[in-house]
Amino acid sequence: DAGVIQSPRHEVTEMGQEVTLRCKPISGHDYLFWYRQTMMRGLELLIYFNNNVPIDDSGMPEDRFSAKMPNASFSTLKIQPSEPRDSAVYFCASTDSVTGNNSPLHFGNGTRLTVT
Amino acid sequence: GNSVTQMEGPVTLSEEAFLTINCTYTATGYPSLFWYVQYPGEGLQLLLKATKADDKGSNKGFEATYRKETTSFHLEKGSVQVSDSAVYFCALKDGGATNKLIFGTGTLLAVQP
Repeated sequence: DAGVIQSPRHEVTEMGQEVTLRCKPISGHDYLFWYRQTMMRGLELLIYFNNNVPIDDSGMPEDRFSAKMPNASFSTLKIQPSEPRDSAVYFCASTDSVTGNNSPLHFGNGTRLTVT
Repeated sequence: GNSVTQMEGPVTLSEEAFLTINCTYTATGYPSLFWYVQYPGEGLQLLLKATKADDKGSNKGFEATYRKETTSFHLEKGSVQVSDSAVYFCALKDGGATNKLIFGTGTLLAVQP
């Protein structure tokens, strides 16, 4: 199993540009999470999906952020327009509900976003 | 709401020293508790977990006991190695159907040879 795959690993962009982060969850997992990690705020849950449906997006900071999951094997997190304060490491994680309510989250290696 | 509080780092230890990283939680009901570890440049990975009071989770020499009376889940290791240097996150999941995890702020552990 290749694990959760995120791309790109690093993204540097200028303020005002659109940024799209991508995630491929582990095959068979029905939950997908997007987290943001910064030194100041730690690890924040932005949004999560169950069976491709957004369940809780209360952590999305503002309307500039949007996330989609068009199918079970792909999700995107988009920031438009990007701002310097969006600079962070963005993690995608997946898990399944089949093995029980305490199945672990499997994280990707993250995308380090720098907005200048 | 549910929350997790863990000790601030960094924690700097010499090799073979004893490690404790404190974690306390606030939750309604009966949450499950987890420790995740993040090595440099990588995502988080599950280290250990406990799903009910008095359970002890253990893995790779690390241990943590679910203490309901003190709402704590402290991480311990008897003898740390340089390779244990990482950021450690305490987390909880409430007893509901959701698989959402709430993480603490993380504690950086630096082990020196």
